[in-house]
Amino acid sequence: GPKVLQIPSHQIIDMGQMVTLNCDPVSNHLYFYWYKQILGQQMEFLVNFYNGKVMEKSKLFKDQFSVERPDGSYFTLKIQPTALEDSAVYFCASSLWWGTEVFFGKGTRLTVV
Amino acid sequence: GQQVQQSPASLVLQEGENAELQCNFSSTATQLQWFYQRPGGSLVSLLYNPSGTKHTGRLTSTTVTKERRSSLHISSSQITDSGTYFCYQGGRALIFGTGTTVSVSP
Repeated sequence: GPKVLQIPSHQIIDMGQMVTLNCDPVSNHLYFYWYKQILGQQMEFLVNFYNGKVMEKSKLFKDQFSVERPDGSYFTLKIQPTALEDSAVYFCASSLWWGTEVFFGKGTRLTVV
Repeated sequence: GQQVQQSPASLVLQEGENAELQCNFSSTATQLQWFYQRPGGSLVSLLYNPSGTKHTGRLTSTTVTKERRSSLHISSSQITDSGTYFCYQGGRALIFGTGTTVSVSP
């Protein structure tokens, strides 16, 4: 089936540094999402993105977070600066249209030390 | 706020037993999907079932939109079915359920 690719699969970064998580969504999809999962906990919605704009974001989407998809390339989540509590697995997802089936990537495990 | 509740929270099965997982959501906007995850593992999409009944392999999902519920039936459970099962409500909700952890023993 359609695949969402996330790069890298693991990243270790020093607290306070910037990190960019990359997502290659399904090629014809128009809606993009980021979710965060702390080990052993529930998946939590961060943000969704359409037509170059953030549509909705949760309280977890702090001011240090930003998303973009310049010119149809990777959909990225940038965290600047990182904090220890940002350590989690971040899942990217995409869907063809609003309310259609959502396809998830395998996640990027971010460790902030 | 919108919520997606799953029951039971955990389930212990002997190999070969059937299981029924429940998902209740607070909004009628469904776009309901079921996912599977092993501890520390990636999400595996099982079924996209916004309404009605869908099958794949040993899995059957029934979603009744008006009653705001969906179920996932696992038949003839296997040890490899062990893990956590999440229902997900897309569309306006964009919420994962609380999960049901399934443990299948020989």
